[in-house]
Amino acid sequence: NAGVTQTPKFRILKIGQSMTLQCTQDMNHNYMYWYRQDPGMGLKLIYYSVGAGITDKGEVPNGYNVSRSTTEDFPLRLELAAPSQTSVYFCASSHGQGVNYGYTFGSGTRLTVV
Amino acid sequence: DAKTTQPTSMDCAEGRAANLPCNHSTISGNEYVYWYRQIHSQGPQYIIHGLKNNETNEMASLIITEDRKSSTLILPHATLRDTAVYYCIVYHFGNEKLTFGTGTRLTIIP
Repeated sequence: NAGVTQTPKFRILKIGQSMTLQCTQDMNHNYMYWYRQDPGMGLKLIYYSVGAGITDKGEVPNGYNVSRSTTEDFPLRLELAAPSQTSVYFCASSHGQGVNYGYTFGSGTRLTVV
Repeated sequence: DAKTTQPTSMDCAEGRAANLPCNHSTISGNEYVYWYRQIHSQGPQYIIHGLKNNETNEMASLIITEDRKSSTLILPHATLRDTAVYYCIVYHFGNEKLTFGTGTRLTIIP
C-alpha cells in the first residue's frame, strides 16, 4: 500500500515550457487535491476532484489544468511555465465527506522555473 | 470555514509536554477542528481532529474548550522528531476542501 505517489520529485523548467505533475493513489479514495506551497507559507489549494470525471477550482487555479479520468490518478498540467509557479506541489487524497481519516499527502514535487 | 489564529513559533524542551494553542472564535456548530503537521519539507501529516469532546490518539491529545472558541494540541512527551510546523484547521463537512494557514513552527530543544 503505497498511499499517494507523486512524480517527479524535482524538476527544473524553462519559462514557457510545459509539464505534467503526476499523482496516483492506491487507497480507492474518491477525493483528490493539488496544493502548492511557497517558501515559508502555508499550502494553497489549486484544484480538487470529488470523483472521476469531476474537477473544480481551488484558491489559485490560474496557469494550471487538471483531469480525473480514473479514481487513482489526478495529474496537474502546467502549460506555459512562469517563474511565479516555482513552488513545492503536494497532491493529497481523502475518502470523502463524513469519514474521519483526514487527508493523505504525497511527498511533494519541487518545481523551479527559470 | 472559520478562521484560525496560531502563534507563529514556539519552543519546547525535549521530554516535556508541548501545548500548541489555536483560536477559532468564529467556529460554527458543525465545524470540526483538525490538526496536521509538516516536518521539514514533507507532505503534511494528519494528527487528530475533534468536534466538541476532547480526543486522544497515539500521537496527541486535543482539548477543545466548552464554548469551542479555542483548542490546544498536546504532544505529551515531545521528542526532537516532533519539530515541525503544526496547522490548526477548522473544517466543515460538506465543504470538500481543507484550508491551511501558516501554522505554528514548533522547535523541540534538546
